[in-house]
Amino acid sequence: QVQLQESGPGLVKPSETLSLTCTVSGASTNSYFWSWIRQPPGKRLEWIGYIYYSGSTSYNPSLKSRVTISLDKSKNQFSLELTSVTAADTAVYYCARSQDDSSVFYYYWGQGTPVTVSS
Amino acid sequence: DIVMTQSPDSLAVSLGERATISCKSSQSVFKGSNHKNYVAWYQQKAGQPPHLLIYWASTRQSGVPDRFSGSESGTDFTLTISSLQAEDVAVYYCHQYYSRPYTFGQGTRVEIK
Repeated sequence: QVQLQESGPGLVKPSETLSLTCTVSGASTNSYFWSWIRQPPGKRLEWIGYIYYSGSTSYNPSLKSRVTISLDKSKNQFSLELTSVTAADTAVYYCARSQDDSSVFYYYWGQGTPVTVSS
Repeated sequence: DIVMTQSPDSLAVSLGERATISCKSSQSVFKGSNHKNYVAWYQQKAGQPPHLLIYWASTRQSGVPDRFSGSESGTDFTLTISSLQAEDVAVYYCHQYYSRPYTFGQGTRVEIK
């Protein structure tokens, strides 16, 4: 049974770096697209980006200069770093896995972790 | 970016009645090489992550009740719940995975009348 679990601080100060980790169980990170998606309060889901198991990445241009997604196959984890955060980055952050190696829609999701940006 | 626009924003339907949600993409999400529209539908209940219902616009995910169906016509996509059940109260999102950045609709809230 595939499970994803986000972890990281729930409160980040403005201008600092948000760092989250997604731990994967029941599946190998040697396949699939591994993604981060966020949902600001009362707003639609926003795709942040993904890392392919090969290590290639793709980011939302709206965040591209501030975001890095990395993959640690030895730990079966992938991570998100978002720099220079502001209140607009307050959201529930989800990690998710693609259905297969070629199509980036999502069956497997973490439960989500709320992150608040505030001093 | 491809904009996905859903309508209505919310709807209230009686138990056992049909619920219909529309989603329009701002440009084609159809790939001729495989004759597929790159659209998925998700259900999100309060406090939970989204749950995949439909992909390729009309393919029902395994385990999803057959009262949920998806249809497509050009850049217009529809999610239909044929007979609304109490457990279907949720927000529903369409999603295009045709081109990056992948985008979602604004959501449609379904309630019981």
